[in-house]
Amino acid sequence: QKEVEQNSGPLSVPEGAIASLNCTYSDRGSQSFFWYRQYSGKSPELIMSIYSNGDKEDGRFTAQLNKASQYVSLLIRDSQPSDSATYLCAVTDSGGSYIPTFGRGTSLIVHP
Amino acid sequence: DAGVIQSPRHEVTEMGQEVTLRCKPISGHDYLFWYRQTMMRGLELLIYFNNNVPIDDSGMPEDRFSAKMPNASFSTLKIQPSEPRDSAVYFCASSFRSGDYGYTFGSGTRLTVV
Repeated sequence: QKEVEQNSGPLSVPEGAIASLNCTYSDRGSQSFFWYRQYSGKSPELIMSIYSNGDKEDGRFTAQLNKASQYVSLLIRDSQPSDSATYLCAVTDSGGSYIPTFGRGTSLIVHP
Repeated sequence: DAGVIQSPRHEVTEMGQEVTLRCKPISGHDYLFWYRQTMMRGLELLIYFNNNVPIDDSGMPEDRFSAKMPNASFSTLKIQPSEPRDSAVYFCASSFRSGDYGYTFGSGTRLTVV
């Protein structure tokens, strides 16, 4: 059973701070990694994808991937109250189907 | 494009009744996925289709669940008979290729079985 682990939180940060969300995965052969944001009562929305080791930046978001240590993280700079949501990590299967396994998500609260 | 369209948004039904959830994927997407989300179990993959063909239904919890995709623009998930433990939010998602570029989710159907 391939696993994707996330701390459920909540992670509480003040407005303007950096929020750091972490995810570990068990399938060493995984190739594709995603972060989805899910507001309460809404559907997950893809915000970042990363495929190779290192950092990938998109606006205030930075995804970091370390395949050797089997973790992927999401940094949110200058956090805003509107960033308050649950962040789901998803990691694709290495067995050929490339179907992602989702973590349970980390709840982020950005307080003014 | 209007995105992935699901209906109904909310469904309340009595135990034992048949429930049908509907999904229209994004035009051009060749993969369609049905997920169920609960607080206890998170987001679970139930079944997925490629070019209208079911590929993996190992996540379907029981024979009471069935899914069809008669054409590229429509899919249904049916529960018959429904039970209170089926209460959850059901999401449909579609993607180009298998999800290697990420999914687009529909707005979901909140199912309550009483």
